[in-house]
Amino acid sequence: SAVISQKPSRDICQRGTSLTIQCQVDSQVTMMFWYRQQPGQSLTLIATANQGSEATYESGFVIDKFPISRPNLTFSTLTVSNMSPEDSSIYLCSVPSRGSSYEQYFGPGTRLTVT
Amino acid sequence: AQSVTQLGSHVSVSEGALVLLRCNYSSSVPPYLFWYVQYPNQGLQLLLKYTSAATLVKGINGFEAEFKKSETSFHLTKPSAHMSDAAEYFCAVTHSGGYQKVTFGTGTKLQVIP
Repeated sequence: SAVISQKPSRDICQRGTSLTIQCQVDSQVTMMFWYRQQPGQSLTLIATANQGSEATYESGFVIDKFPISRPNLTFSTLTVSNMSPEDSSIYLCSVPSRGSSYEQYFGPGTRLTVT
Repeated sequence: AQSVTQLGSHVSVSEGALVLLRCNYSSSVPPYLFWYVQYPNQGLQLLLKYTSAATLVKGINGFEAEFKKSETSFHLTKPSAHMSDAAEYFCAVTHSGGYQKVTFGTGTKLQVIP
């Protein structure tokens, strides 16, 4: 298994500002995923972050709004830029398991409220 | 393409009663299926998984699920609900391949009544 930590655990931000969320894994992984969980809804994949290359964004998500960094194999950041109340969500990072089981390990999430 | 449908966004059961959370999937290739649990203010934790081996899968905390290809279902059950089972449950689907994109269902919030 993998142990994943996220910072901050929660934040309240003003409209128009930006917040950077950090994700730290206790082992080296090639792929890291960033998800958004809007209130009362399921998880939506924002992007896949590979070390040494640009992140791959899902439909409806763009780099200008959600820039991602992946400086090494244990760390990634997601920035939520120019925030609006619609960005209020839980943001989770995850990593795939080793081997072929295709399960993912999730961080505890960052609960963001935009006022 | 793949998708997951969870029937019932909220399910209430009495403590000690059977828990049944429904999940139906759609996948053009043999699926891998998962149930995750999310406790309040926490991330997701894997309960159990089906990856083309035994169709009846046992997970943690007494939960199990049965893969039924003919019904395209992967329902989650537990014989006797405990208060600590109150949480949100997500069914998810992926498939073998180099890119492990996972599609999650909309979740079912389980309430356990004492």
